[in-house]
Amino acid sequence: ETGVTQTPRHLVMGMTNKKSLKCEQHLGHNAMYWYKQSAKKPLELMFVYNFKEQTENNSVPSRFSPECPNSSHLFLHLHTLQPEDSALYLCASSQDKVADTQYFGPGTRLTVL
Amino acid sequence: GQNIDQPTEMTATEGAIVQINCTYQTSGFNGLFWYQQHAGEAPTFLSYNVLDGLEEKGRFSSFLSRSKGYSYLLLKELQMKDSASYLCAFRTGANNLFFGTGTRLTVIP
Repeated sequence: ETGVTQTPRHLVMGMTNKKSLKCEQHLGHNAMYWYKQSAKKPLELMFVYNFKEQTENNSVPSRFSPECPNSSHLFLHLHTLQPEDSALYLCASSQDKVADTQYFGPGTRLTVL
Repeated sequence: GQNIDQPTEMTATEGAIVQINCTYQTSGFNGLFWYQQHAGEAPTFLSYNVLDGLEEKGRFSSFLSRSKGYSYLLLKELQMKDSASYLCAFRTGANNLFFGTGTRLTVIP
């Protein structure tokens, strides 16, 4: 499935670095999502954008900053992260927020040293 | 609060049938999803139940009982490629997905 792409696939960063994760969907969808998947924990919803408007911020620390410039692109800007932020970050999209199916990207494996 | 319980791990034999159970608690409910996730890959959609009963799709079937807060995923004629994690998730009243920790299924010859 290449409908949702994410870059980079792997990222190692120090606690003082600033980096960004990128997600692009080629499905013509209007809703996009960021999830965090840590080892032995469930997928946690972080942010939701519907028609470029942020509709959900699931109590995410401010060191994570999302950006959605258009319906096809979603970014997650990272700064001053902590080692416990190391996880797989997954992007997903759906037709809109009430659509049945979310399509996931392959994820970015983030390691914070 | 919101909660999902599903077994952490299961093992089954190639060609057999396996049932993965999921129980959930939530005040707002807009449907139950099952996703498959192979190691290192993205979750992929398997099934969606919004009404009680059984939905069949090829070798996979999913059942929902809203009154019991219970669902199961049934996999028939197991193949080695079915070894993966199976994620149960419900859609909340706000139309967001709430996931369980997943059941890692190992299919053995």
